[in-house]
Amino acid sequence: GESVGLHLPTLSVQEGDNSIINCAYSNSASDYFIWYKQESGKGPQFIIDIRSNMDKRQGQRVTVLLNKTVKHLSLQIAATQPGDSAVYFCAENQPPNFGNEKLTFGTGTRLTIIP
Amino acid sequence: EAGVVQSPRYKIIEKKQPVAFWCNPISGHNTLYWYLQNLGQGPELLIRYENEEAVDDSQLPKDRFSAERLKGVDSTLKIQPAELGDSAVYLCASSSRAGGTDTQYFGPGTRLTVL
Repeated sequence: GESVGLHLPTLSVQEGDNSIINCAYSNSASDYFIWYKQESGKGPQFIIDIRSNMDKRQGQRVTVLLNKTVKHLSLQIAATQPGDSAVYFCAENQPPNFGNEKLTFGTGTRLTIIP
Repeated sequence: EAGVVQSPRYKIIEKKQPVAFWCNPISGHNTLYWYLQNLGQGPELLIRYENEEAVDDSQLPKDRFSAERLKGVDSTLKIQPAELGDSAVYLCASSSRAGGTDTQYFGPGTRLTVL
């Protein structure tokens, strides 16, 4: 079936710089997207979400951008900190499922913050 | 507020043996999810409960996997018999309800190694 994928498996960023993590999805009908952060030995932690009727949403130090034309999702983290080092997953909901009923997760990108 | 609790955190068994994982969701959360996470991959949904009812078990390998959520609170996921390919992290998550954008909170997972 269709799945969510990521462009890069690893990303290293200097502390204080901004980082951008990308995600490509293949199902144009997907209507809800979430970014999760997973630290070693822990479960995924919700960061930010966005619905398909939006193209941008901002949180604290994070921004999610959605480009439905090219089916691309990105997570921008501003002023990265050592605690941002983790694996980041994008997840999508594909109708007829609704909201977070049955999320499809991507493979993940490992972000490493260099002190 | 206590998070999702899972036990054991680690389990090592020989193939063909049975194994069980336990999950205690966040108090008041009606929806409970079990996921399987292979190394380097995103979580994959196995089963979703609404209270005590399994509303989506379409991705649960029912020949060897079973789950229950008696009284709509704690849940147990069982594998019998375990196979080498079952080695993975088994994550439990809960949310106040499904079908909306209520955040899924994940537990730390149980890392299963089948020898």
